[in-house]
Amino acid sequence: GEDVEQSLFLSVREGDSSVINCTYTDSSSTYLYWYKQEPGAGLQLLTYIFSNMDMKQDQRLTVLLNKKDKHLSLRIADTQTGDSAIYFCAETTISGNTPLVFGKGTRLSVIA
Amino acid sequence: DADVTQTPRNRITKTGKRIMLECSQTKGHDRMYWYRQDPGLGLQLIYYSFDVKDINKGEISDGYSVSRQAQAKFSLSLESAIPNQTALYFCATSDLDNEQFFGPGTRLTVL
Repeated sequence: GEDVEQSLFLSVREGDSSVINCTYTDSSSTYLYWYKQEPGAGLQLLTYIFSNMDMKQDQRLTVLLNKKDKHLSLRIADTQTGDSAIYFCAETTISGNTPLVFGKGTRLSVIA
Repeated sequence: DADVTQTPRNRITKTGKRIMLECSQTKGHDRMYWYRQDPGLGLQLIYYSFDVKDINKGEISDGYSVSRQAQAKFSLSLESAIPNQTALYFCATSDLDNEQFFGPGTRLTVL
């Protein structure tokens, strides 16, 4: 079945850029999402990208998609302590007939 | 008011007890989901429902059952709780585009 892989931990210094990586196996993936989970809370959608796009930028967030390598990344510029959270990558197909497939999440720790 | 609500938010129970977790949504979405979250394992899908008459097993449905009482309500039951069902449980909803909206979670502890 489909699989989404992420590294489990990332630690960066405040003010640096963070890059969280994700790989997926389903070549028919059409929508790819990044969710953020703050401590004690549910997941919230951060951003998403369609598979016909290479890049999407939204303020401090940049999503890069390499469809050939099935690789997705989330770059957070000027990382702040408030960015400390777990970040989940997820994918779905154009049919939408199956639920999202989530990665296990990357825990980002920001050091002041 | 929150779009997706879960009750209770915290529950401690004993092995063998029957437990029901409830989820309600005001987003008007047809699709609803139940996940459990364990440290280092991410989210695991328990059950999902694409409309009121539709129920599907997820990857870890054993030991759980669900009921879709209405478009807005989807409940999860543990018929006989066991300690390894101690986890954080999330309900989510989505429209046809599958973008999911999550509830705040229920922390369940089975002693």
